[in-house]
Amino acid sequence: GAGVSQSPSNKVTEKGKDVELRCDPISGHTALYWYRQRLGQGLEFLIYFQGNSAPDKSGLPSDRFSAERTGESVSTLTIQRTQQEDSAVYLCASSLGPPGSYNEQFFGPGTRLTVL
Amino acid sequence: AQSVSQHNHHVILSEAASLELGCNYSYGGTVNLFWYVQYPGQHLQLLLKYFSGDPLVKGIKGFEAEFIKSKFSFNLRKPSVQWSDTAEYFCAVNLRFGAGTRLTVKP
Repeated sequence: GAGVSQSPSNKVTEKGKDVELRCDPISGHTALYWYRQRLGQGLEFLIYFQGNSAPDKSGLPSDRFSAERTGESVSTLTIQRTQQEDSAVYLCASSLGPPGSYNEQFFGPGTRLTVL
Repeated sequence: AQSVSQHNHHVILSEAASLELGCNYSYGGTVNLFWYVQYPGQHLQLLLKYFSGDPLVKGIKGFEAEFIKSKFSFNLRKPSVQWSDTAEYFCAVNLRFGAGTRLTVKP
């Protein structure tokens, strides 16, 4: 596609429920990234995929968070048993190659998650 | 652990004023440095980047940044800001981002 797309754009859920957030990277981009942005704060790195493997998942805050990627395509971020502190905008980005190789990240519009 | 610090949370300038936004990081390895901008209602987009070579890098819309290795800094500058530069600016080192600086330019 023309850019990184994310769905849903907004998600409201009740505490304790599971949610799935989807990211479609730019076609041909091998690297995919997930970030979290809480209100008034910067971007918090969660996980990075190169292809369908995750060389760096050091930013996942707890075992309630998991992510997977199918080949060099769509990625899903799953949050189990959501808590109110999970409320944030979840941003996805993709790049042509791995980080640190002159590759710019292209960001999607984000999914705004609200946990009641 | 890597960390990125942006000194100013909110900067307010008048048009034509000069801008400098600070960015410092703590990391001893190889760094890839970026400034991103998020205009109101838009996605994050890249302003400029540094990987190696000339430490003074020029980006879009008249922005530039200077990498000073000894100071672990990568400050963003623009000689004369415009109202359209009103946005949030994020410094990033490798995959880690700072908290952002909100710039408001008064017409």
